[in-house]
Amino acid sequence: DAGVIQSPRHEVTEMGQEVTLRCKPISGHDYLFWYRQTMMRGLELLIYFNNNVPIDDSGMPEDRFSAKMPNASFSTLKIQPSEPRDSAVYFCASSPGGQGRLLGNIQYFGAGTRLSVL
Amino acid sequence: AQTVTQSQPEMSVQEAETVTLSCTYDTSESNYYLFWYKQPPSRQMILVIRQEAYKQQNATENRFSVNFQKAAKSFSLKISDSQLGDTAMYFCAFTYSGGYQKVTFGTGTKLQVIP
Repeated sequence: DAGVIQSPRHEVTEMGQEVTLRCKPISGHDYLFWYRQTMMRGLELLIYFNNNVPIDDSGMPEDRFSAKMPNASFSTLKIQPSEPRDSAVYFCASSPGGQGRLLGNIQYFGAGTRLSVL
Repeated sequence: AQTVTQSQPEMSVQEAETVTLSCTYDTSESNYYLFWYKQPPSRQMILVIRQEAYKQQNATENRFSVNFQKAAKSFSLKISDSQLGDTAMYFCAFTYSGGYQKVTFGTGTKLQVIP
């Protein structure tokens, strides 16, 4: 498997614009996570899905952020409108459910999207 | 709620030497997993090693080993024969066993291997 695939790798946009980040999890993984990483706050969990259903979105900073998982192989994180303080690296990760839990819920990360909002 | 603390923001080690990264955590549960993840300059988070709390034996993966002290809630990572490719951020992480999937990460330790 190619691993977790995120796109784009880098995104530069202007304040007020809509930004959409994309993620393709590892095939067969039941869980998908979106994280944000900044120097100030470290790695923060924004939201996670189980079998395409959002389970915990308590980390989503505000209504400008939304995430969807229309099917098992695709998820998006959208920011509308974007602000400079949203500048960060956004990671997607996936984890196998079922027997995978016996392995300790290991998460497999994508390479991240570096977002810069000017 | 569980917390994970890494008290060493930055460390350095000479190539071929041994270095130990510290991690402590807080939980009231007895069944859980602990991890060390590595984030090199390429940004991709990679699992280095994991430990199951119910196992007393410390996990090892080649040059990487842990010192798991359950009573003290301590989980340190030892890197032997350090290599330049070990230069990275290292994150300690915790998750409960069972169905709950949320993982809590520490703030990270930046390790620099010096030639």
